[in-house]
Amino acid sequence: QITLKESGPTLVKPTETLTLTCTFSGFSLTTSGVGVGWIRQPPGKALEWLALIYWDDDKRYNSSLSSRLIITKDTSKNQVVLTMTNMEPVDTGTYYCAHLLWLGVPGWFDPWGQGTLVTVPS
Amino acid sequence: QSVLTQPPSASGTPGQRVTISCFGSRPNIGSNFVYWYQLLPGTAPKLLIYRNDQRPSGVPARFSGSKSGTSASLAISGLRSEDEADYCCAAWDDSLRGLVFGPGTKVTVL
Repeated sequence: QITLKESGPTLVKPTETLTLTCTFSGFSLTTSGVGVGWIRQPPGKALEWLALIYWDDDKRYNSSLSSRLIITKDTSKNQVVLTMTNMEPVDTGTYYCAHLLWLGVPGWFDPWGQGTLVTVPS
Repeated sequence: QSVLTQPPSASGTPGQRVTISCFGSRPNIGSNFVYWYQLLPGTAPKLLIYRNDQRPSGVPARFSGSKSGTSASLAISGLRSEDEADYCCAAWDDSLRGLVFGPGTKVTVL
């Protein structure tokens, strides 16, 4: 059974850097075709894909946020870390990590973690 | 503003069939698979449909997906009270080189 869980601060001040950790089980990020991604949802708004890292350390970022994002993996700890710099109130939302399979093309995110709410006060 | 568009709401009575549309363009729905997720407050998004019309194990057959050109649809037949949720579509976009989501459609069971 694949499970993922997000962890990190619930409150981040404007201009600070957010660091979120996704700890997973039931799969390995050393297995060919496996990926882990981050997606967020601001309150009352749509889901927004942020970043994705593959088993071979290939990394993909949302082009509109790429200058602020870094995604890394620690395969020995079964963790993926997302950092987002220069946080603003509009970055408030629930942040999810999710498992993905590469099937010649990017597949689908499933399952997802329960999400973690991050608030950036104005 | 989302790259994919969906109606904000849909509704039906128990037992009815409800259809939710998702409109995109050639770089996303027109060129790639469509996925559908069910969103419930406080819970992880649940994959309902992958590769346009495939159901993961455990998803009831009441849920079905289809795609034609640059649009896709999710149908819920035999609507039940527990189907009251937000439903959003997603697709990879070759121009943006990333995954894009629709804004979601809130389904209400009357």
